[in-house]
Amino acid sequence: AQSVSQHNHHVILSEAASLELGCNYSYGGTVNLFWYVQYPGQHLQLLLKYFSGDPLVKGIKGFEAEFIKSKFSFNLRKPSVQWSDTAEYFCAVQIIFGKGTRLHILP
Amino acid sequence: DAEITQSPRHKITETGRQVTLACHQTWNHNNMFWYRQDLGHGLRLIHYSYGVHDTNKGEVSDGYSVSRSNTEDLPLTLESAASSQTSVYFCASSEQGSYGYTFGSGTRLTVV
Repeated sequence: AQSVSQHNHHVILSEAASLELGCNYSYGGTVNLFWYVQYPGQHLQLLLKYFSGDPLVKGIKGFEAEFIKSKFSFNLRKPSVQWSDTAEYFCAVQIIFGKGTRLHILP
Repeated sequence: DAEITQSPRHKITETGRQVTLACHQTWNHNNMFWYRQDLGHGLRLIHYSYGVHDTNKGEVSDGYSVSRSNTEDLPLTLESAASSQTSVYFCASSEQGSYGYTFGSGTRLTVV
């Protein structure tokens, strides 16, 4: 069965720190991978997606993710976070979502 | 502009009542999905549809049903509401062959 695992449930960082959120998946076929963001009180928005090609994917707001097939991973990164990045982040594979990571950025 | 709308935004209902949550999209997307979001569980798939008259069960489908009579709508029905179904429900849609979703704004359902 498909599954998505997000390692960190809650992350707290200071502004300008670098961010990496882990995502591992279990799926037996060609994968479509996604990261979504949910700002407080809002619905989910697509940050970036990977279907094929360059495994380093760039998304909106300075986020990027790297698909490592051998590790079944699709980690989300941002070199320097801002207070406005405070949100919950969800990794998804096909139609299955991880449990999310709550990110708090301290000003 | 195309959009996906859910109604109502908030609903309180009593245990045992039948409840229907509406989802309407004007993207002309073939794929439509219903998820529930609960603290500590993330988003869990309830039902989904890949086209008119197509419906499929997700991981938490018990107690829920959907029907797809046209491209635009996928209503979610709770046959007999239970307190365990108190949650925030999100509808999403995507193009055929793609899973990059457009989400609705959600319905907060409270079962008392």
